[in-house]
Amino acid sequence: AQKITQTQPGMFVQEKEAVTLDCTYDTSDPSYGLFWYKQPSSGEMIFLIYQGSYDQQNATEGRYSLNFQKARKSANLVISASQLGDSAMYFCAIMDSNYQLIWGAGTKLIIKP
Amino acid sequence: SQTIHQWPATLVQPVGSPLSLECTVEGTSNPNLYWYRQAAGRGLQLLFYSVGIGQISSEVPQNLSASRPQDRQFILSSKKLLLSDSGFYLCACSRGPGANVLTFGAGSRLTVL
Repeated sequence: AQKITQTQPGMFVQEKEAVTLDCTYDTSDPSYGLFWYKQPSSGEMIFLIYQGSYDQQNATEGRYSLNFQKARKSANLVISASQLGDSAMYFCAIMDSNYQLIWGAGTKLIIKP
Repeated sequence: SQTIHQWPATLVQPVGSPLSLECTVEGTSNPNLYWYRQAAGRGLQLLFYSVGIGQISSEVPQNLSASRPQDRQFILSSKKLLLSDSGFYLCACSRGPGANVLTFGAGSRLTVL
């Protein structure tokens, strides 16, 4: 069965610094997808970035990039030049062979001015 | 792009009372629909998903049920709420089998007293 582990329950980062949020996964499927979502205090889940297991290059979306290390089974999210609006919960998730998402417990990121 | 409308946004109900949370989708047809529950400070737990009208799959045994009376309508119900049903409920959709990204509604916060 798939599993996602996010080891950082909370992080404080100074505004404008880069942030790395950790995510490790466990799966026996040869093909899978990894996702990062952001959940601000309002509660809505916002899709940030996706990485397919066969993608050759690390995914990037604006200030978000995914540091995908397949051999280590890690898919860390990197946020460059953090902003106050980046303060939120961040969830890593893996899509299994039935197209269902398995979610991590999340990391609460607080950006300090 | 898809838009999800979810209501009510907040709900306070006594133990033993019924529940009905509704979700409607705009901007796509024949979507896959999902109900998730999020306990405080935790990740998401998949409750139900539907690939078509009248087709409901349950992931977790509980006193909740789901129905899909129309293509873009998904309803979460209970005949008698328990204290443990308290949580944040999120409706989500994807464009269909193999579609990767989920779009979420704003969520419904249920407190059972």
